[in-house]
Amino acid sequence: NSKVIQTPRYLVKGQGQKAKMRCIPEKGHPVVFWYQQNKNNEFKFLINFQNQEVLQQIDMTEKRFSAECPSNSPCSLEIQSSEAGDSALYLCASSLHPNTEVFFGKGTRLTVV
Amino acid sequence: GEQVEQRPPHLSVPEGDSAVIICTYTDSATAYFYWYKQEPGAGLQLLMSVFSNVDRKEEQGLTVLLNKKDKQLSLNLTAAHPGDSAVYFCAVSDQGGSAKLIFGEGTKLTVSS
Repeated sequence: NSKVIQTPRYLVKGQGQKAKMRCIPEKGHPVVFWYQQNKNNEFKFLINFQNQEVLQQIDMTEKRFSAECPSNSPCSLEIQSSEAGDSALYLCASSLHPNTEVFFGKGTRLTVV
Repeated sequence: GEQVEQRPPHLSVPEGDSAVIICTYTDSATAYFYWYKQEPGAGLQLLMSVFSNVDRKEEQGLTVLLNKKDKQLSLNLTAAHPGDSAVYFCAVSDQGGSAKLIFGEGTKLTVSS
């Protein structure tokens, strides 16, 4: 069973509001990923980190999304100004190395009303 | 970039029958392959991972076959039971250096008792 912990499980925000979600990766895993899964089961990679450094992020993340993985604190993903299209399941995952087994948390389901 | 196609999108089998899900990928350099299970309201559970030097892997009623010539990955659930009902995703590791996963479209498996 995965030991990636995501909070909160559910998040409801109005359009234009900030939405912040957190992730504690599996102990000892320095690589952290964020994905967005929409209602059609399509996955969109958002960003990944190795320790505190960004490995790759997509353009969407660079505009309204921000993420960080500070040392000794949970990782976080924040949407600065939520839009209806941001409603989705946000999945955090971690791995021991890049290109090794990736373990997912249960996700944060964001609903933007 | 890498593309992954998964079929069938829906699969219904009676209890005790086998269920086969197939994914095709496009990048012959792909080295890491994964199968995940997602139950309603849950995150992704890693079922099995294979490296490209493996053609066949069996674990706990699951068989994964990797055909590198045809760029095809399959998951066979032998003797499926109702608890196997879920959405299954294949995923491959992107070779672009980010280690992000590229997912198939998912297969909704229903096992009837």
